[in-house]
Amino acid sequence: RKEVEQDPGPFNVPEGATVAFNCTYSNSASQSFFWYRQDCRKEPKLLMSVYSSGNEDGRFTAQLNRASQYISLLIRDSKLSDSATYLCVVNMGSGNTGKLIFGQGTTLQVKP
Amino acid sequence: IAGITQAPTSQILAAGRRMTLRCTQDMRHNAMYWYRQDLGLGLRLIHYSNTAGTTGKGEVPDGYSVSRANTDDFPLTLASAVPSQTSVYFCASSVGSSSYNEQFFGPGTRLTVL
Repeated sequence: RKEVEQDPGPFNVPEGATVAFNCTYSNSASQSFFWYRQDCRKEPKLLMSVYSSGNEDGRFTAQLNRASQYISLLIRDSKLSDSATYLCVVNMGSGNTGKLIFGQGTTLQVKP
Repeated sequence: IAGITQAPTSQILAAGRRMTLRCTQDMRHNAMYWYRQDLGLGLRLIHYSNTAGTTGKGEVPDGYSVSRANTDDFPLTLASAVPSQTSVYFCASSVGSSSYNEQFFGPGTRLTVL
């Protein structure tokens, strides 16, 4: 099993759609969870951290399910500018230790 | 300089040649990292440095070396390049080495080894 696993997609959705991505991770002791966004041929940038209670930032909602070891990202009212690759990131140590492992990414294409 | 810079932007290199990728940050971050990104494999950690004067091996360190003589600079050296080192290389930094800290990435270096 990969340490961090994502469906690579691509997800093709119309503008205004709601889309959800899931990510599973292998280390039950992980404590740090993030979603990064990467535009084509650009560097990754932090989209949001993922907290145990779940968190929302505008149209984006992140959820963490520790029992099943998965993280989700929900994007509501998709915009053309949301087209990008979304990277699920998890630490591989216990607590806040260990290096971050990046999933291979899920590609989103929002169509007019 | 604002954030992290990397040089060169891209490079074509003959196999067997030595190459140093440069990375400089002006945020006074303690921790720095080198990743490579390959299609279908995502970002993989090559080497890291938790603070100036210390370095550590990541997931794929073979064929690469790093140094951290000061806070700002973290060069990555390929002693004798091989075609399997063709990749996009990203340098990153964070305030500290805790995995809670956001990592900020440079724009990347596209390296082709022929």
